Amino acid sequence: AQSVTQLDSHVSVSEGTPVLLRCNYSSSYSPSLFWYVQHPNKGLQLLLKYTSAATLVKGINGFEAEFKKSETSFHLTKPSAHMSDAAEYFCVVSDRVSDKLIFGTGTRLQVFP
Amino acid sequence: NAGVTQTPKFQVLKTGQSMTLQCAQDMNHEYMSWYRQDPGMGLRLIHYSVGAGITDQGEVPNGYNVSRSTTEDFPLRLLSAAPSQTSVYFCASSRLAGTSGRLDTGELFFGEGSRLTVL
Repeated sequence: AQSVTQLDSHVSVSEGTPVLLRCNYSSSYSPSLFWYVQHPNKGLQLLLKYTSAATLVKGINGFEAEFKKSETSFHLTKPSAHMSDAAEYFCVVSDRVSDKLIFGTGTRLQVFP
Repeated sequence: NAGVTQTPKFQVLKTGQSMTLQCAQDMNHEYMSWYRQDPGMGLRLIHYSVGAGITDQGEVPNGYNVSRSTTEDFPLRLLSAAPSQTSVYFCASSRLAGTSGRLDTGELFFGEGSRLTVL
C-alpha cells in the first residue's frame, strides 16, 4: 500500500529565509506525487506535481520539489519565504493501482516578519 | 470562473438530524469526490464518482450517502448526524483520462469547504 509521511506538523520561518517542508513516501510502484496548499478558510490548490518526468519540479509562487527515489522523499522548498506563503501544505501520493490520492497529515507554515 | 461550489459554508446540526451538503462544478469533470478534513489527519476520502449514475465508497463512507444524477452535481447526505461527523468537508473534481475511468493528471479542483458541527 502506498503512504505518505509529512515529517513536520509545524514549520516557522522568517520572511526572506528559505522554506523546507519535508515529505517521505512509501510506494511499490513508481509514484505520482503532488503538493497542495491550503490558505485559511479556503480549499486546496495544486502547487506542483511529479509524474516521472524531470525529478526537479517547479510549481507556482516560486516553490519547487525534488523527487529522490533513493531517499523516497519529495521535499518542498522555496528560496525566500513571503508572508503570503503562510498556509497549510499537503503532500499527496497517487496510488497507481487503485487510482486513489493519499494525503499526508499536513504541515502548517508560519512566516514571521 | 465558478469552478467547484459548495453550500452551505457553515452548518450546525443536532445529533440525529439529517442534511445534505451540495456540490456543483462547471468544468464538465467526470470525477467528483467528497473528503473530510480533521486536525492531524489530513484529508480522507468519503465517496467518489467517475460519472453520472456511478458512485463508490472511499476510506470513510459510513454514515454518508451520495448520488450522481448529473455530471455537474454530487450531493453528500448525512442521514442521522453524529458528533463524530463534526468536520470540514471538501468536494473536489477532476478529469478522467479518455474512457479509462482513471484520473487524467491527478489534479483535484477543490471547493472552499463546508464546516459542519454536530452537537
